[in-house]
Amino acid sequence: DTAVSQTPKYLVTQMGNDKSIKCEQNLGHDTMYWYKQDSKKFLKIMFSYNNKELIINETVPNRFSPKSPDKAHLNLHINSLELGDSAVYFCASSQETSGKYANTGELFFGEGSRLTVL
Amino acid sequence: AQKITQTQPGMFVQEKEAVTLDCTYDTSDQSYGLFWYKQPSSGEMIFLIYQGSYDEQNATEGRYSLNFQKARKSANLVISASQLGDSAMYFCAMRERWDNYGQNFVFGPGTRLSVLP
Repeated sequence: DTAVSQTPKYLVTQMGNDKSIKCEQNLGHDTMYWYKQDSKKFLKIMFSYNNKELIINETVPNRFSPKSPDKAHLNLHINSLELGDSAVYFCASSQETSGKYANTGELFFGEGSRLTVL
Repeated sequence: AQKITQTQPGMFVQEKEAVTLDCTYDTSDQSYGLFWYKQPSSGEMIFLIYQGSYDEQNATEGRYSLNFQKARKSANLVISASQLGDSAMYFCAMRERWDNYGQNFVFGPGTRLSVLP
């Protein structure tokens, strides 16, 4: 049973179109994320939600709109796609943890969604 | 400023030998976590090893160990007895607090490791 699943795995679309990527986690985690991995493999945070509340929104164009209907789902909608949006988009989740006796709290990643804008 | 630095864009190692991948980090937090992830050519992100800022012992997981030097803010990954299947991108990451609530994971630029037969 997949822990973090995102669909679709591949999207190929024309410039100007709108597309969505869905993400679901069955780990019971509080926090979900969207990361963008560019052609140089650099991973950059886009958004983070904790219990459906937006926590991180990192200098992402407002064409990108995340939506978290519940804490197990975090979807990403992209309007008016541009060539520069071509990338792999990773959904991830973690259980918030801190302090001296914190557990590992690692990020669990989905398989990634490769978006190609033509 | 770059919070996670990985100074080796690419590394080569002979099969069965050990290799060290460098990682330095920058934070003013007392409580943070350090992680290494592997990304093979198939693209998935695989968690390898974790070190908490309060952990006094270096973390180990099978052939992976983390050489944690807190004063130098370094968290190098050591892979012993390299195998061909270890060829991949390796990312160092840090979990830190975000605006007094929530948390963020910041990633380094990665090191591409190639294991030679």
